[in-house]
Amino acid sequence: GQSLEQPSEVTAVEGAIVQINCTYQTSGFYGLSWYQQHDGGAPTFLSYNALDGLEETGRFSSFLSRSDSYGYLLLQELQMKDSASYFCAVRPVQDSTLTFGKGTMLLVSP
Amino acid sequence: GAGVSQSPSNKVTEKGKDVELRCDPISGHTALYWYRQSLGQGLEFLIYFQGNSAPDKSGLPSDRFSAERTGGSVSTLTIQRTQQEDSAVYLCASSLNPGPLPNQPQHFGDGTRLSIL
Repeated sequence: GQSLEQPSEVTAVEGAIVQINCTYQTSGFYGLSWYQQHDGGAPTFLSYNALDGLEETGRFSSFLSRSDSYGYLLLQELQMKDSASYFCAVRPVQDSTLTFGKGTMLLVSP
Repeated sequence: GAGVSQSPSNKVTEKGKDVELRCDPISGHTALYWYRQSLGQGLEFLIYFQGNSAPDKSGLPSDRFSAERTGGSVSTLTIQRTQQEDSAVYLCASSLNPGPLPNQPQHFGDGTRLSIL
C-alpha cells in the first residue's frame, strides 16, 4: 500500500520562504505530484517530479529523493494568496489513480 | 465550459434519503475520478472510470454507494439511504488517459458539499 505523511499546518510571513515536506512509504510509484487547494475550492495541480532532483516553476519548486523516500514543495516570496492547503500525491505503478497525503495547511501572515 | 463542472454545488437532505451527484468532465478527458473530502481532511479516493468502465471501485465505502458513467462523459455518484457520516465534499476530477504516461494532471471540479441532517 501507499502512505504519505505531511505536517498538518505550517505558518510563515509574507516574503518568506517555506518548505512543506512529504515522506512516503510505497512499494513503487511513477512520481510525486503537488496540488494546491484554497478553502472551499477545487484542488489545482502545481508540479510533478518524475525523477530525483529539483523542478522549478516560478516561485514554486518541488524536490524528490527516492532513496530517502522524501519530497518537498518550496514556496518563495510568499504572498497572502498562498494561504491554502497543499497535498502531495503519488501514482502507484499498479494503479491509474492518485493517492493523496492528508494535506498541509499553510497560513501566511502579514 | 472549459473546466470540470459538478452539480449541485450544495445539497442538504435528511438521513435515509437517496442523493445523486453529477460530474461533467473536461471534453476529451477519458479518465474520471470521484473523491470524498471531510472537513480538514485529505482526499479519499472513491472510484475511477476509464471511458464508461470502472476498473477501480476499491474506494467505495459501502454498497450504498454506486456510480456510473455514460457516453464516456457525464458521471453520477449515487448514495442510497444516506447516513450522517456521508456528510462531506464530494469532488470529481478528470484527466487524459493516464495509461502509460505517468503524469496526467487531474483537473478538479469545485465539488458538491453534502450535508445529511
